[in-house]
Formats: sequence, C-alpha cells, structure tokens
Amino acid sequence: GAVVSQHPSRVICKSGTSVKIECRSLDFQATTMFWYRQFPKQSLMLMATSNEGSKATYEQGVEKDKFLINHASLTLSTLTVTSAHPEDSSFYICSSLSDGRGGYTFGSGTRLTVV
Amino acid sequence: QKEVEQDPGPLSVPEGAIVSLNCTYSNSAFQYFMWYRQYSRKGPELLMYTYSSGNKEDGRFTAQVDKSSKYISLFIRDSQPSDSATYLCAAGGATNKLIFGTGTLLAVQP
Repeated sequence: GAVVSQHPSRVICKSGTSVKIECRSLDFQATTMFWYRQFPKQSLMLMATSNEGSKATYEQGVEKDKFLINHASLTLSTLTVTSAHPEDSSFYICSSLSDGRGGYTFGSGTRLTVV
Repeated sequence: QKEVEQDPGPLSVPEGAIVSLNCTYSNSAFQYFMWYRQYSRKGPELLMYTYSSGNKEDGRFTAQVDKSSKYISLFIRDSQPSDSATYLCAAGGATNKLIFGTGTLLAVQP
C-alpha cells in the first residue's frame, strides 16, 4: 500500500533554533500534502496544505513565517519550524491523498520537543 | 460548535466485547467519512472509509454513516487487547481537508 515516510521521528532542539521535518511519498505522487499538529490528548489540527510547485495554504491562526512549508517535488514536502519555542513542542504529522477514493496516508509523525 | 464531535473516553471493555464508537458532525457538505486508529506516539492508520450513508464491513470492523442524523459509528466485534488504541473519526468534503474528532481512547482488557 501507499507509504509516506516521515523523518525525523523524534527531535529535541534548543529554543530559538530551527527544525526541518521531511515527508516523502514512497510509491505514489503526492500532489498535495497536509500538515497536522497534535497536542497531547487532543485531535489532529490541520496547519497547512501544500501543493507541489505552489505556495502553501495556511489555516487561520497558523503563522506562515514560523512554519515554512516547501513542496518542491511530487514526492517530497518539508515543514520547517523556525525560531522554535517550547510552546511549539508537539506531534507533527503529514498526510497525503494516496488514491482517488479518498484514501489518505499518514506519516508516522515527528515528536518535537523544544527546550 | 466543533465540526466533528467525539467522546474522548476513555473506554474500557473486556476482551471479546463489542465496542461501539461514535461521532457526530455538523457540516452537511461532508461527503466521506473515515475511522483511523492511532497507537501511542504513532501516526494514524486508516481503518475504514465510507462515502455517503450506509454500512461498510471489513473483518471485525463495521463502519456506519447516517447522513440524515449526521452520525457516524464504528463497531468492533470480538475486541482484542491489540485493539487498544485511540480511534479517530474524520470527515471530509470537496476541499479534501479532513476534520478530525478528538479521538476516543479504547482499552481492551485481557
């Protein structure tokens, strides 16, 4: 089946630094990638939608200058958390539509801890 | 009001029990509905996908959608300890954006 490979699975960084999270579609072309954030015991909240070759669309309340999204190819999308702060600590998950019947495939997630 | 509402639980059942998980939604534009299972510190994995009203069965899992009442359900028969996880319902429409419920934490006791 369709696979989205997400790396790193876990990262600890110092406050003020930047962290890049990668999501690669391994056996399909990910025209669109959805980026979610999940706080403990809460549901997934959509942060932004990226389309290959165009600017990402951010959800209300999500700072586009803080969460930089690049979708330069049909198999790779990246999320960079810039100038990270402890409140950015969360579980970040990417997802892409892997078939025409509404099947979304999720990455395994990245646990970001900002200290 | 959240677009997708789900009882967060936790729900604890004995092994072999029938589990019923439910969500309600408010947006009439939602066309497809999904159930995901999420183990701790892992990404969600798709369990069931249904389009419009009706039932869909896959092994021990049955998904039910009632668009007239905006109610979606997941039934798990002969529940196993390995079914212990958080179950997330999700709904989507023409925009392809998925809206998730808060998830229900299920524990199946051996």
